[in-house]
This record gives sequence, structure tokens and C-alpha cells, in this order.
Amino acid sequence: DVQMTQSPYNLAASPGESVSINCKASKSISKYLAWYQQKPGKANKLLIYDGSTLQSGIPSRFSGSGSGTDFTLTIRSLEPEDFGLYYCQQHNEYPPTFGGGTKLELK
Amino acid sequence: QVQLKESGPGLVQPSQTLSLTCTVSGFSLTSYNVHWVRQPPGKGLEWMGRMRYNGDTSYNSALKSRLSISRDTSKNQVFLKMNSLQTDDTGTYYCTRSILWVFDYWGQGVMVTVSS
Repeated sequence: DVQMTQSPYNLAASPGESVSINCKASKSISKYLAWYQQKPGKANKLLIYDGSTLQSGIPSRFSGSGSGTDFTLTIRSLEPEDFGLYYCQQHNEYPPTFGGGTKLELK
Repeated sequence: QVQLKESGPGLVQPSQTLSLTCTVSGFSLTSYNVHWVRQPPGKGLEWMGRMRYNGDTSYNSALKSRLSISRDTSKNQVFLKMNSLQTDDTGTYYCTRSILWVFDYWGQGVMVTVSS
């Protein structure tokens, strides 16, 4: 199985700042990486797939980049509703596997 | 709109069988795959298995011997059964729809505690 490693584990930032979350795959997954947001009491939300394609309805302040083994989720101009957990997931091969998560906290 | 909702017991005794139901609306089970994903408390997400649109199933190799996924298309429901539960099976269980292997809609999850 492809192992996915996210960094950092925790990230503290203030509204208006920009942040980046990294995800590294144990082998090449081409462009096939997705990012999800998780918040308590809410359904997980798909943000980006295919490395950089924004899911419908997701604000343009979210962007994804990378290919091969190294990927980045960038959130520009943080809004209060952006704080929560973020997970990456490779969708290149079976079985799908997730990163360990990054907690984005209010500074 | 697309919705998925998990239901099932919140507490299961060790060595017993977990039975969960995912009720979907806004799409057809004969057009989309539905998966089960779980999350131990404070930990990451683990893919468990899927029900394909055509009725085929596939399972995480680590869970395959204990897990069964089935469906009732007339009721728009997908079922999970997992036997021989242990305390490390405690966590939140999600059902989620996919396009290929991208999970575009999720249920809110159901918390399951394995304890005597």
C-alpha cells in the first residue's frame, strides 16, 4: 500500500494569513491526490482532487500543487471557517490511503 | 441533494458483530460506488471497503476476514457487518460516495465504542 505522510502535524495561524500543508507519498502517485477538510459535527468535505482541481463550490483561496511524491495544499487569506483538520489521500491506486492529518488551529 | 447517513449501535461488546447501515439519497446505488471509512479517536482515516455500483465488493486486506458489505437498492441502503470486534475497532465509521477513488460526499459518521 502507498504510505502518505503529512506535515506539519499541527499548524497555528491567524485569519488573513496564508498557510501550506505538505503531503508525501511513499511512491509516485502521478497527480492523483485529494485533500479533505474535517470539522466536528460536519461531513468531511472534498476540497481538491487530481492534485490541483478545485471541487465545485470550494473557494479559490484553496489551491493544490505537486506531482509524483510531493504535494502541497495552500490556503490563502485564512477565513475563520478554515480552521480544522486536513487530510490528504492518494487516489492513484488500490487501496486508497490517507495521510495522518494536519490540525490547523487559531493562533 | 446528495446525502449519506450512517446508523447503528453506539456500543458493541468485544467479540461481537458490528452492524451499520448507510442510507443514501440524491443518487442511485446502481450508478455510484459507496465506501466505508473509519477513524479511531484522535487518529487518521482508514479505508475499509466498498460496494461498487454493479454490486461487486472489495475490502481492505487487513479487515477482509472480518468484514462484509452488502446493499438493498430498493431501500437505498448499504450495510456493513464486521465480526470479532476488539477495543481497537472503536472509532467513527463513515460511509462515503466516490467517483473513481475520490470521495466526493460523506456522511457525518457514527461513533462506535467497543467495550464490555
